[in-house]
Amino acid sequence: EAGVVQSPRYKIIEKKQPVAFWCNPISGHNTLYWYLQNLGQGPELLIRYENEEAVDDSQLPKDRFSAERLKGVDSTLKIQPAELGDSAVYLCASSPRTGGSAFFGQGTRLTVV
Amino acid sequence: AQSVTQLDSQVPVFEEAPVELRCNYSSSVSVYLFWYVQYPNQGLQLLLKYLSGSTLVESINGFEAEFNKSQTSFHLRKPSVHISDTAEYFCAVSEVQTGANNLFFGTGTRLTVIP
Repeated sequence: EAGVVQSPRYKIIEKKQPVAFWCNPISGHNTLYWYLQNLGQGPELLIRYENEEAVDDSQLPKDRFSAERLKGVDSTLKIQPAELGDSAVYLCASSPRTGGSAFFGQGTRLTVV
Repeated sequence: AQSVTQLDSQVPVFEEAPVELRCNYSSSVSVYLFWYVQYPNQGLQLLLKYLSGSTLVESINGFEAEFNKSQTSFHLRKPSVHISDTAEYFCAVSEVQTGANNLFFGTGTRLTVIP
């Protein structure tokens, strides 16, 4: 069974440019999460989806970040415009049901220059 | 709200020696507890978890953790470490009552096994 797939693995962009990350969760997993991991820190939740509905986006900086999960499968996280402080690893995770263990992708390492 | 404290940011230990990685949590409600491991340039992998039942949980590669409700701790231990155990270890909690799996992570402990 394939795990959580994220792309790209690495991305370098100039500040003020837009960037998008893509996540394909494990097949059959209804719950999808986006986490932000700064260097030397633990991951922090940005948004959680139950199927196509964003049920917890309280930590998502909505002025520049947006996310979508059309059809309740793949998800895209976008930043526009990117700032230097957005440099971090963006992790996607999925779980089979609410309360189930979360499985993480390898992450996308974003560097904003 | 929940919080997780991992007091040790780095733990160096010699190969075949025992190790303990400490984790304390704070929560006003019942929690589930997890340990995740992150190898270099890889994503987080679930190492072990406590949901209910026996307070001592084990992983397939020799790690164990014990849930201590009175001390609000979930320390990770291994009696004899290998070079391959070198990685970053994260303790995490999630609320039981909401059924949600929003994980709150500690800041991580970098375990370095010295040959």
